[in-house]
Parts: sequence; structure tokens; C-alpha cells
Amino acid sequence: GENVEQHPSTLSVQEGDSAVIKCTYSDSASNYFPWYKQELGKGPQLIIDIRSNVGEKKDQRIAVTLNKTAKHFSLHITETQPEDSAVYFCAASNLRGQGAQKLVFGQGTRLTINP
Amino acid sequence: DTEVTQTPKHLVMGMTNKKSLKCEQHMGHRAMYWYKQKAKKPPELMFVYSYEKLSINESVPSRFSPECPNSSLLNLHLHALQPEDSALYLCASSQDPATDTQYFGPGTRLTVL
Repeated sequence: GENVEQHPSTLSVQEGDSAVIKCTYSDSASNYFPWYKQELGKGPQLIIDIRSNVGEKKDQRIAVTLNKTAKHFSLHITETQPEDSAVYFCAASNLRGQGAQKLVFGQGTRLTINP
Repeated sequence: DTEVTQTPKHLVMGMTNKKSLKCEQHMGHRAMYWYKQKAKKPPELMFVYSYEKLSINESVPSRFSPECPNSSLLNLHLHALQPEDSALYLCASSQDPATDTQYFGPGTRLTVL
């Protein structure tokens, strides 16, 4: 089955700097890669996702890149702000167009933005 | 609107109690999910309902019993739980079970005494 590894487990960044979180996956059939942000006491919130037919996607300060050959994808946050502090999870899934999908999550990265 | 609501927010129960968790979405999504999340860990899939039918059960113990009364509601019935079942229980939904993004609710924090 699919296995997703996420690094680093903790990341501390100065406000205004960039943060990068990396994930690798094992199943070459995986074709959907969402990123979730989870604040303390809340459920995971989708912040960006990418499908395997594109290599990069950007939404304001957040971008995700995908390298299918190397089977890794990364989250990039620019101009970080204190409210970006949270736990971030990457995930992978094989959306086959039939049957229910299963998301496999990475172990999470605790991002702290220092003022 | 991508809102999934869950009640109650917190629940404390004894090992002999029977309780239920509720999840609701009004986005017309046809798939609903239950996840369990322990502290400092990622969510773990428990059950998936697709078009109101149970399509995935991740070998969850029978003391957890899911129910999908209609396309907007998802329940998780709890009976004879163990202290190790204490966790955050998350509900999620997606428009299409096979191809779409999952949106999560805020979760129910369950404590089993």
C-alpha cells in the first residue's frame, strides 16, 4: 500500500521568511496530493492540492510542486506570518474514478513562525 | 461553503456507556468519512460511506458502529469503549467518493474514563 513520509517534523522560521515542507510517496499510481493545515483544537483545513497532471500550483503565498518521477511533492509558504503557525499534513491518494478514495497522510510538520 | 459540522464538541464517557457522535453536511456531498486522530499523529481512516452505503471499514473494532441515515448525516455509535479509544474523532465529506477533495469538520474530542 501507499506510504507517505514527511519532513521535517518541526520547523521554526522567522516571520517574513519562507518555509518548505517536503513529502515523498511510494505508490507511483497516486495522482492526488492535498495539503492540510491543522490548528490547535480544530479539524484539518485544506489549503492547497495538486493533481498529477500538473507540476506546480500556486495560491497567493502558498505553492505546491510535484515531481512524479522522483515521487515527491513540496509545500512552499512565502512571507510567513504568525497565523501560519500550525501543524501541516501532506497526503496522497489514487483517484481511480471508481470506488471510494483513501487518503494516506504524512506524519505532520509543526511549523512555528517567530515574530 | 465547505462546512462540515460535528456534535458534540467534547464528550466524556465511561467504559459501560453508549453514546453517539454526529456529523452533518449540506453541500450535497455523496461521500462521508470517519477518522480517528491521536495526539501528535495524522488522522487515521475508520469508515467511508459512499452514496449512503458503507464502502470501506478499516478493520475497526465492533464497539464502533457507523450509520448513515441519509446523504447529509453520519453517525458513529460508541459502546463499551476502552480508555485507549480516547482521541479526536473527525468527520469529512467529499462531493464524489472517487475523485474529489475531502473537507473535514472540527472534530469531537472523546475521553473514555
